[in-house]
Amino acid sequence: GESVGLHLPTLSVQEGDNSIINCAYSNSASDYFIWYKQESGKGPQFIIDIRSNMDKRQGQRVTVLLNKTVKHLSLQIAATQPGDSAVYFCAEKGDYKLSFGAGTTVTVRA
Amino acid sequence: DVKVTQSSRYLVKRTGEKVFLECVQDMDHENMFWYRQDPGLGLRLIYFSYDVKMKEKGDIPEGYSVSREKKERFSLILESASTNQTSMYLCASSIQGNTEAFFGQGTRLTVV
Repeated sequence: GESVGLHLPTLSVQEGDNSIINCAYSNSASDYFIWYKQESGKGPQFIIDIRSNMDKRQGQRVTVLLNKTVKHLSLQIAATQPGDSAVYFCAEKGDYKLSFGAGTTVTVRA
Repeated sequence: DVKVTQSSRYLVKRTGEKVFLECVQDMDHENMFWYRQDPGLGLRLIYFSYDVKMKEKGDIPEGYSVSREKKERFSLILESASTNQTSMYLCASSIQGNTEAFFGQGTRLTVV
């Protein structure tokens, strides 16, 4: 069954602001938690991952936070740009399996 | 560049037909996956494979089967297509132990 989910299906953000996308998970046994981005007409693309024994990981303009106490994952995008408009999925990896949540559609307002 | 190629972008089939969706990857990845994507439900895992001739059920395997006779090719089979299998189907591959999966562009299947 579904073990990864997102809090909100849509998010509207002003260009230049920071975006925060949230995800709740239920499977504490996962090794990694991952964020993917899907642009219109394309397959999802990997953004960043975080190992289950870490709390925070930073990439280029993105930060992923993992709170194991409340089983919560978030993706922060700094200075959101029009090219960030997409559907964002959180995912979890356990053994060979890669499971995704329902996705959040982010729309960037000019 | 890693390339995952799905044989068709759009497919229309009749109820009861046997449908084959083909996926080929060119990066010698061990893992391959089939998902379906439906509005509000995200990506749901149908089947995956971590080696040639190996297959594992995902979260929604009912009504589907798979075949992996060669490392680069992973086929999804709808034994008898039904209208509730109308969906976008996405294939992906990854290196064993890696979190980054590479996706194809998807096949939009309509069953009428």
